[in-house]
Amino acid sequence: QKEVEQNSGPLSVPEGAIASLNCTYSDRVSQSFFWYRQYSGKSPELIMSIYSNGDKEDGRFTAQLNKASQYVSLLIRDSQPSDSATYLCAVRKTGTASKLTFGTGTRLQVTL
Amino acid sequence: DGGITQSPKYLFRKEGQNVTLSCEQNLNHDAMYWYRQDPGQGLRLIYYSQIVNDFQKGDIAEGYSVSREKKESFPLTVTSAQKNPTAFYLCASSVGQEGYEKLFFGSGTQLSVL
Repeated sequence: QKEVEQNSGPLSVPEGAIASLNCTYSDRVSQSFFWYRQYSGKSPELIMSIYSNGDKEDGRFTAQLNKASQYVSLLIRDSQPSDSATYLCAVRKTGTASKLTFGTGTRLQVTL
Repeated sequence: DGGITQSPKYLFRKEGQNVTLSCEQNLNHDAMYWYRQDPGQGLRLIYYSQIVNDFQKGDIAEGYSVSREKKESFPLTVTSAQKNPTAFYLCASSVGQEGYEKLFFGSGTQLSVL
């Protein structure tokens, strides 16, 4: 079992719809969770961080964390073509001194 | 503007050659990292450094070496012992409370083998 798992996609959603991206992780003692957006050929850009159970909203983005079920998700409301990218989930386990473990990413396509 | 600068953007390595990738940051971050990204795979940690003159191996350190002589600089050398070096290399630095640090990435270096 991979430490951080994501569906590779592509996930295709029409413009204006809600895109839902999911990530599961294997280690229960994980403590911090991040979503990065990566355009093709570019470096990852941090878009959300979440540390406690529940929802965290930032503009059109909402991160949801459920530690009991070991998943973290990212919702993108009013999806735009510019949201088309690969979204990487990253998890840090307690006591791993800065080491982040990344999923392989989900490719999102927002269609006109 | 503050940021992380990686150079060169593209690098070609000949058989048996060592090459060095540059990473400089002016964010005053203590911790710096090197990740490798292969197509369709997640980022894998090569080395990281939390303070000057100290660094630790990540998950795939074999065939790589680093130094951290200055807070701003964390160069990565890909040695001839790394038999499959073709990948996108990402340097990052982090800020925040221990255990909750946020990573910020440079623009990356694409390394290819001639």
